[in-house]
Amino acid sequence: GNSVTQMEGPVTLSEEAFLTINCTYTATGYPSLFWYVQYPGEGLQLLLKATKADDKGSNKGFEATYRKETTSFHLEKGSVQVSDSAVYFCALSDRGSSNTGKLIFGQGTTLQVKP
Amino acid sequence: EAGVVQSPRYKIIEKKQPVAFWCNPISGHNTLYWYLQNLGQGPELLIRYENEEAVDDSQLPKDRFSAERLKGVDSTLKIQPAELGDSAVYLCASSSQGQGNEQFFGPGTRLTVL
Repeated sequence: GNSVTQMEGPVTLSEEAFLTINCTYTATGYPSLFWYVQYPGEGLQLLLKATKADDKGSNKGFEATYRKETTSFHLEKGSVQVSDSAVYFCALSDRGSSNTGKLIFGQGTTLQVKP
Repeated sequence: EAGVVQSPRYKIIEKKQPVAFWCNPISGHNTLYWYLQNLGQGPELLIRYENEEAVDDSQLPKDRFSAERLKGVDSTLKIQPAELGDSAVYLCASSSQGQGNEQFFGPGTRLTVL
């Protein structure tokens, strides 16, 4: 079945460091890919998405490129801030016959940014 | 625009007791999802509604869990009786076909079963 694998955390970085969180997926067909972020005490928020191969999603300085050949959707940011400290989830859509199918999530990666 | 509303935010009960969670989706969103999030894990789908119809409940433990979405708007998820292993965060999300598959999540209900 479809699945998502993320790099294990926690990831601890200093402010202004470069961030990469790896995400690979297994899927039949052509799913959409997502990164969600969960700040402490808050619900999941969509960070960015890509709906087809070679698409690049970007938001708030974060970006990720849908790589079909390597089945990857790695999250990157050039210069992290303390406020980026959160848990990041990679996910794919499992549409089935519907365009509103369930999301399949990775296990999450905790990012801690120190001043 | 108001987001997805869930209540209560926190619930502590003793095992074998019943518990219910409520969700009000974003206005106009016809698809509603209930996810279970165990500590340190990603959310997993329990049930998905299209309007008032449950179209995917394959992951819902039907011996103790039930859900309803009367009138195709808000929804209730119930556990009866609760077990220790049910301690988790229960997330509700909604989406609209007009927005593709972007799902909007509520803050969740954190359940602790003692």
